[in-house]
Amino acid sequence: EVQLVQSGAEVKKPGESLRISCQGSGYTFRTYWIAWVRQMPGKGLEWMGIISPSDFDTKYNPSFEGQVTISADESVSAAYLQWSSLKASDSGMYFCARMSLGFFTTWGQGTLVTVSS
Amino acid sequence: EIVLTQSPGTLSLPPGERATLSCRASETVRGNYLAWHQQKPGQAPRLLIYGASARATGIPDRFTGSGSGTDFTLTISRLEPEDFAVYYCQDYSSSPQGFTFGPGTRVDIK
Repeated sequence: EVQLVQSGAEVKKPGESLRISCQGSGYTFRTYWIAWVRQMPGKGLEWMGIISPSDFDTKYNPSFEGQVTISADESVSAAYLQWSSLKASDSGMYFCARMSLGFFTTWGQGTLVTVSS
Repeated sequence: EIVLTQSPGTLSLPPGERATLSCRASETVRGNYLAWHQQKPGQAPRLLIYGASARATGIPDRFTGSGSGTDFTLTISRLEPEDFAVYYCQDYSSSPQGFTFGPGTRVDIK
């Protein structure tokens, strides 16, 4: 069974750094792009960016470029989303999703990030 | 960048009724590369439909996607209790350079 399992909820202070993860199983990890999607409280889905684990080719939504960094480590079948300096406005739920044939076929369970002083 | 508009914002219907959800694109969606995802409260989204009309694995046949060009529809033929959720359309015609979601339609129990 194809699965994406994300790291647990995080509570951070403004200015702190953070990296959350998305681990794939049940398939050859390097074969499929992994996307990250943000969902602010009570709001819709926003595509943030996507990475190819095979060659680390990464595309960002211009709204998020420079605000976050997406990376991957094929050796542990994981993709990452990281912030160097969190803001309160980064609070939200973050989902990873596997892309196949251009669309998102499988979603992770989500990671809740809370940034508060 | 394609902008997706979904209507209505909220649809209140009793179980057993037919639900019709609309997704309109600001320009033609190339290849009809349009997907629908369902999200229940507290859960991750789930892929229902891709390519405008193909059901994803395990999706019941009461879910039907249709449309082309700029106008797309998701129809739920007879609402089951587990179908009350938010539905998002998604354009993936620029994959992997870009993806756009619509704002969602909430289907509530009446």
